This record gives sequence, C-alpha cells and structure tokens, in this order.
Amino acid sequence: QVHLVQSGTDVNSPGASVKISCKASGYTFTDYFLHWVRQAPGQGLEWMGIINPKSGRTTYAQKFRGRITITSDTSTDTVFMDLSSLTADDTAIFYCARGGLQPVSWGYYFESWGQGTLVTVAS
Amino acid sequence: EIVLTQSPGTLSLSPGERVTLSCRASQSVRRDYVGWYQQKPGQAPRLLIYDASKRATGTPERFSGSGSETEFTLTINGLAPEDFAVYYCQQYGNSLYTFGQGTKLEIK
Repeated sequence: QVHLVQSGTDVNSPGASVKISCKASGYTFTDYFLHWVRQAPGQGLEWMGIINPKSGRTTYAQKFRGRITITSDTSTDTVFMDLSSLTADDTAIFYCARGGLQPVSWGYYFESWGQGTLVTVAS
Repeated sequence: EIVLTQSPGTLSLSPGERVTLSCRASQSVRRDYVGWYQQKPGQAPRLLIYDASKRATGTPERFSGSGSETEFTLTINGLAPEDFAVYYCQQYGNSLYTFGQGTKLEIK
C-alpha cells in the first residue's frame, strides 16, 4: 500500500524559505515520479513541479521557477520541496503526490497523495 | 501550458439529481489524458476518473467521465449526500501538468 507522509505545519516570515519533506513507502521509491501541488486557503489546486527520484531531474511550473527546488534522497525514500522568497501569498497547504512509472514524466494521474503540509507566512 | 476552464463555478443541487460538470482545455490534450478529482474540506484530493473515462479503484458507478481533445465532462447520476464537494479536472498529457479551477457542488 502506497503511503506518502509529509512533514508538519510550518510558520515562516516573509522573505524566508521553507523546506517540506514527503517520505514514501509501500513501493519502489526510484520507480515513480513525485509531484508537488499547492492549495491556498479556499482556492484551487496548483501544480508546482515534478521530480524523477532516481535521476534527480526536475521540471517546474513557470510560476515557481527561480524559487522552487525539488530534491530526492534515495537513502531515506524522501522527496523535499524547497520554496524561497516566501510572501503571504504562499500561505497554503502543500501536497506531494505520486506520479507515473519512469521514464516518461507525463501521462499519469495522481492516485496517491500525502496528507498535506500547512505553511503559514506571516510577519 | 494548457489552461483548463471548469464550469460552472458552483452548483446548488439536491440529493438524487443528475449533474454534469464541464472542463474545457485551451488546446487538445494528448491521448485525452484528463483526470477528475474530488476534494472534501480538510482532505487531500481523491482521484475519481482517469484517462477521461476510466473509473479509479473504489469510484462508485454513478460517476462517469467522457470527452476528448478539448472538451471533457464528469457526470454524477443520482447525487448521494457524500458527493457534495469540490471537483477538479487535471490534464497530464504533457510534462507541465495543470488543474482546472474547480466546481463546487453544494446542497440546495
């Protein structure tokens, strides 16, 4: 059974960075892509980016390029999402979600999701 | 980037009614790679439909998806009380994934 367990609630100041983790279990970590999705309060879902945990190769949504970094640690089956230069607009729940089998980064839906991590940005 | 536009934004309906939600893409979605997700307050989204028309494991038969290229729909035949939620479409036909803005089903 696929499980994605995310790190806990985080509070940050404007201009700071946040790093959220997503630990995977129940499958071979390096076989599947992992995604990050943002959801601001009362708003919709925004796809942020994807990582191939095996190669470390990433693709980011245009909106977040320049301040997002997604990395993976194959020794702990964990993916990390680092978002810098935080503003109040980054107050949101961030989800990780499992994508498809390698090597194709597109063509697969999000069947398994983490529980979400609430990040609050406030001075 | 493919933009997905969902309509309507909000629907007020009664249990037992039939409803059709729309998702329009700004360009053709490769291989009709469109999914539908249900989200309830305080919960992560749940996959209902993938590849435009295939029900995910555990999705009740009252949910059906259809469409191709740029026009996709999610139909719920006979709304159950637990179906009142927000529904999102998603395209995964290229490496820049996108979601629609969502349709909220509320109880009339």
